[in-house]
Amino acid sequence: KAGVTQTPRYLIKTRGQQVTLSCSPISGHRSVSWYQQTPGQGLQFLFEYFSETQRNKGNFPGRFSGRQFSNSRSEMNVSTLELGDSALYLCASRQGEEGYTFGSGTRLTVV
Amino acid sequence: GQQLNQSPQSMFIQEGEDVSMNCTSSSIFNTWLWYKQDPGEGPVLLIALYKAGELTSNGRLTAQFGITRKDSFLNISASIPSDVGIYFCAVPLEYGNKLVFGAGTILRVKS
Repeated sequence: KAGVTQTPRYLIKTRGQQVTLSCSPISGHRSVSWYQQTPGQGLQFLFEYFSETQRNKGNFPGRFSGRQFSNSRSEMNVSTLELGDSALYLCASRQGEEGYTFGSGTRLTVV
Repeated sequence: GQQLNQSPQSMFIQEGEDVSMNCTSSSIFNTWLWYKQDPGEGPVLLIALYKAGELTSNGRLTAQFGITRKDSFLNISASIPSDVGIYFCAVPLEYGNKLVFGAGTILRVKS
C-alpha cells in the first residue's frame, strides 16, 4: 500500500510569509502527527490529529497550526515565517496501536 | 518534560565492526522504540520494545529494554555501508499519540 505522502518536498519562502504543508496518510490511518526536525533541536512534536480533532499539541507558538480533513488528510500552516522555522517537517500516520509510519518530509527554507 | 539522553552522538566505524548505542532517561517508560533515518527521508521503525528486560532482534540489529525501564540499547553486528544514517531512540507519550525522540546517533561506516 502507498506510504505517507507529503507535498511539496522542498519549499523556499521569505520571512513574514505563510506556508501550508500537506500530508496524505496511509489509507485507513486516522491518526496524523507532525514533527519539526532541525539540527539544533532534533525531532520535536508539533501536534496530533485524530478524526479531525487535535488531540495533542507540542510546545510551539501559535503561528504553527494544523487541521485534518474528513478523509484523514492533514495540513499544517506556519504564519509570519521566521528564519528559525527552516526545518524538515515530517508527517506520520498510524492506525490503532500500530507504530507510526513517517513520510519523507517537506524541507522548508526561510530566507 | 521528558528527555532522552542518547549516546554516542556520532560514530565512524570500519565495515564489519559491531556498533552499540544507548538511550537513558530519568523517567520510566513502558515502551522503547528505535528508528533509523536515511538522508532525505523520514525515520523508519526498526525495533519496538514493550517489556522490561526484553531483548528483540531484527536481522543484524538487537535492542534491549533496560530492566529499570529507564534505558534501552541498540546493537548492530557486522556493520555494512547501508547501515549509514541517523539512529534515534523514542518513547511514546500521551497514550501513544506523541513521540519523544533522543538526539540521535550519526553512524558512518568506512568500507
